[in-house]
Amino acid sequence: DQQVKQNSPSLSVQEGRISILNCDYTNSMFDYFLWYKKYPAEGPTFLISISSIKDKNEDGRFTVFLNKSAKHLSLHIVPSQPGDSAVYFCAASAKGQGAQKLVFGQGTRLTINP
Amino acid sequence: DAGVTQSPTHLIKTRGQQVTLRCSPKSGHDTVSWYQQALGQGPQFIFQYYEEEERQRGNFPDRFSGHQFPNYSSELNVNALLLGDSALYLCASSLVRYGYTFGSGTRLTVV
Repeated sequence: DQQVKQNSPSLSVQEGRISILNCDYTNSMFDYFLWYKKYPAEGPTFLISISSIKDKNEDGRFTVFLNKSAKHLSLHIVPSQPGDSAVYFCAASAKGQGAQKLVFGQGTRLTINP
Repeated sequence: DAGVTQSPTHLIKTRGQQVTLRCSPKSGHDTVSWYQQALGQGPQFIFQYYEEEERQRGNFPDRFSGHQFPNYSSELNVNALLLGDSALYLCASSLVRYGYTFGSGTRLTVV
């Protein structure tokens, strides 16, 4: 039972344009959502997060949007840069779980083309 | 300031054998979590240790066990290895809510 789904295994975007990565979840108990970035041979690195009491959170070039009614979140990267090429994972945690147990999606490989 | 350190980086084991993976948390962190990442999948939560006790566990069999030492470092043990245990094993440490720092992982191959 995949509670967090990233339905696009890969995405290719031109440098300077907007990258939009999508994530869907099924568990209504999730109340905190995070995006991680992973380069080969490295561990995932935290990018940005959002609580279920918000619908948007921005940090520099990165913005996460949360649509609770659709159980959908997205990560926008503007403008996209070559260094953004990596695998992106969305993750969720349930009420009361905090950092105790994250449920990850399968990941989306983002490639930024010059 | 060193981040999360995992050892070894790679290892190859035979089916039925036992393996121990090690993790040193980031300085100041007291909680260690372990995740398994199979090829093409996202990380899956195995368990978490705090104050030398297993605080929470994911859907993994009892063949997977762990330990946390007084200096907060941790070990993950897997007994009776199966081919399906081949994966990247990630250790993550934290202190405050949602403050995970991941290590680079140990790549385990079971043949």
